[in-house]
Amino acid sequence: DQQVKQNSPSLSVQEGRISILNCDYTNSMFDYFLWYKKYPAEGPTFLISISSIKDKNEDGRFTVFLNKSAKHLSLHIVPSQPGDSAVYFCAASENSGGYQKVTFGTGTKLQVIP
Amino acid sequence: GAVVSQHPSWVICKSGTSVKIECRSLDFQATTMFWYRQFPKQSLMLMATSNEGSKATYEQGVEKDKFLINHASLTLSTLTVTSAHPEDSSFYICSAWGHISYNEQFFGPGTRLTVL
Repeated sequence: DQQVKQNSPSLSVQEGRISILNCDYTNSMFDYFLWYKKYPAEGPTFLISISSIKDKNEDGRFTVFLNKSAKHLSLHIVPSQPGDSAVYFCAASENSGGYQKVTFGTGTKLQVIP
Repeated sequence: GAVVSQHPSWVICKSGTSVKIECRSLDFQATTMFWYRQFPKQSLMLMATSNEGSKATYEQGVEKDKFLINHASLTLSTLTVTSAHPEDSSFYICSAWGHISYNEQFFGPGTRLTVL
């Protein structure tokens, strides 16, 4: 049972345009959401996060939007740059015995075309 | 941000041998460490969670006798793949969680295991 889903396995965007990556979840116990960027054969790198009590968080070119009622979040990258090309994982966490247990989505491969 | 290292970064072994992977938090104390496995073009799947000084908690479907986890100190956790077989070939990633950031796990660079 995939609790965190990224329905688009890949996305191509022209440089300078907006990239929108989507994520849906099913577990209402998730209270924190994160986006990670990952290159092949490397560990994930934290990008941006949002608490379940907020609906938007912005950090430079990256903005995450959360719609709790729809159990949906999205990552906006604007303007997109070729260096943004990577696999992006959506993740959701819930408290589990004193720490946050993280569940990852299946990833979306973003290609930014120069 | 906090730094987590893994060693080795790539290992090739013969079927039937055991392989140990180390995960270290370099600049913070990791109360909890996580081990993930990633198959090509798939998500990171949590294998087990280990708290310093106690037994690891394994996710459903993960053989605890196959994947031995030790978290003996606040900066080191090890994953030993015992009697490795070709189907164990995968990318193994650890992450560490400590009180420096409640909501964020810090990931290691991963270890590529190839079993011949």
